[in-house]
Amino acid sequence: KAGVTQTPRYLIKTRGQQVTLSCSPISGHRSVSWYQQTPGQGLQFLFEYFSETQRNKGNFPGRFSGRQFSNSRSEMNVSTLELGDSALYLCASSLDWGQWETQYFGPGTRLLVL
Amino acid sequence: QKEVEQNSGPLSVPEGAIASLNCTYSDRGSQSFFWYRQYSGKSPELIMSIYSNGDKEDGRFTAQLNKASQYVSLLIRDSQPSDSATYLCAVPGRKDDKIIFGKGTRLHILP
Repeated sequence: KAGVTQTPRYLIKTRGQQVTLSCSPISGHRSVSWYQQTPGQGLQFLFEYFSETQRNKGNFPGRFSGRQFSNSRSEMNVSTLELGDSALYLCASSLDWGQWETQYFGPGTRLLVL
Repeated sequence: QKEVEQNSGPLSVPEGAIASLNCTYSDRGSQSFFWYRQYSGKSPELIMSIYSNGDKEDGRFTAQLNKASQYVSLLIRDSQPSDSATYLCAVPGRKDDKIIFGKGTRLHILP
């Protein structure tokens, strides 16, 4: 069974630009969550999508947004990038909304903002 | 008060000894608790979940939960060098369903 896949794996952007990250969940998993991981703040929950709807959201500004498609694949967008957005962005999929015990993480996208 | 707190470490434990990792949380309504292991340069993987007060054992791992004191711990028996990693405690909030991670404890098993 294929795991969670994320593209791209590495990305370099400049301040003010926007970026879109993609996540394909494990087959059969209908929920996708996004996280930001930095050395200073650790692993922080961004949002969770299920049935193409955002189910819950962490404490991040509106520049961070996402969406989910009918095949459960998800994208995350960050607009007007800031230096502090440099981080590892992790996507995780689970069978159902809030079913954290079935959550598997992808390899992540490392974003560097210059 | 931080919502989920862990000692950042590093925690150094001799090979073969018991490693004890602790986590405290602030939301008294939390019902489920998770431990993730993250190797350097890799993504987190779930290794233990616990829902009821007491102990839950899985191989060399034991999770302990005390809801009255709002702490959850992870014991690793017969520690191996391959256990060297960062261990993250995660607690879903009862009110808003978002999951909160502690900043993790770096564990180093000394050969």
